[in-house]
Amino acid sequence: AQSVAQPEDQVNVAEGNPLTVKCTYSVSGNPYLFWYVQYPNRGLQFLLKYITGDNLVKGSYGFEAEFNKSQTSFHLKKPSALVSDSALYFCAVRDFNAGNNRKLIWGLGTSLGVNP
Amino acid sequence: EPEVTQTPSHQVTQMGQEVILRCVPISNHLYFYWYRQILGQKVEFLVSFYNNEISEKSEIFDDQFSVERPDGSNFTLKIRSTKLEDSAMYFCASSEQPRGYTFGSGTRLTVV
Repeated sequence: AQSVAQPEDQVNVAEGNPLTVKCTYSVSGNPYLFWYVQYPNRGLQFLLKYITGDNLVKGSYGFEAEFNKSQTSFHLKKPSALVSDSALYFCAVRDFNAGNNRKLIWGLGTSLGVNP
Repeated sequence: EPEVTQTPSHQVTQMGQEVILRCVPISNHLYFYWYRQILGQKVEFLVSFYNNEISEKSEIFDDQFSVERPDGSNFTLKIRSTKLEDSAMYFCASSEQPRGYTFGSGTRLTVV
């Protein structure tokens, strides 16, 4: 069965420090991996995705994520956090081999707090 | 940049009433989805729609729910006889690989 795990409910970092939001996944085939961010009372905003190619993916707002097949991980990173990065972050996966069944499976979300 | 548009942004309805949530996907996308997020909880898949029919649905998507693409541009989610536990944020999304999924800003449904 497909699943996504975000092991940390909450991550707190100081502004200017690097941040990591963890995500591991399980799919039967090759994964499509996504990160979305949700600001309070707002929708789901796309950050970045891994489909194929380079394992290091760069996305919006200076975020990046590294696909690690052996560890089945897709951790979200940013070298220098901003207070405005404080939000809820969701990791999601889709099985590449799912054909027309293209639903995303979501992690529970990680609340990121960046302290000034 | 193309957007997925959802209306209304907030809907309050009485228990037992029917609601229709509306979405306008990105025009050249072929796959459409509804997800929901109960306050403070994870995002849950409801249904996917391709080629004018449901391609997959979750256990949540029972006979109370239906989807329709009535005019080639709108994509609607109908909830019949709403229950208190249907209160959630409902997100519409569309996709056309390799661009990934684009989500609307959501409709907050409150059942009272």
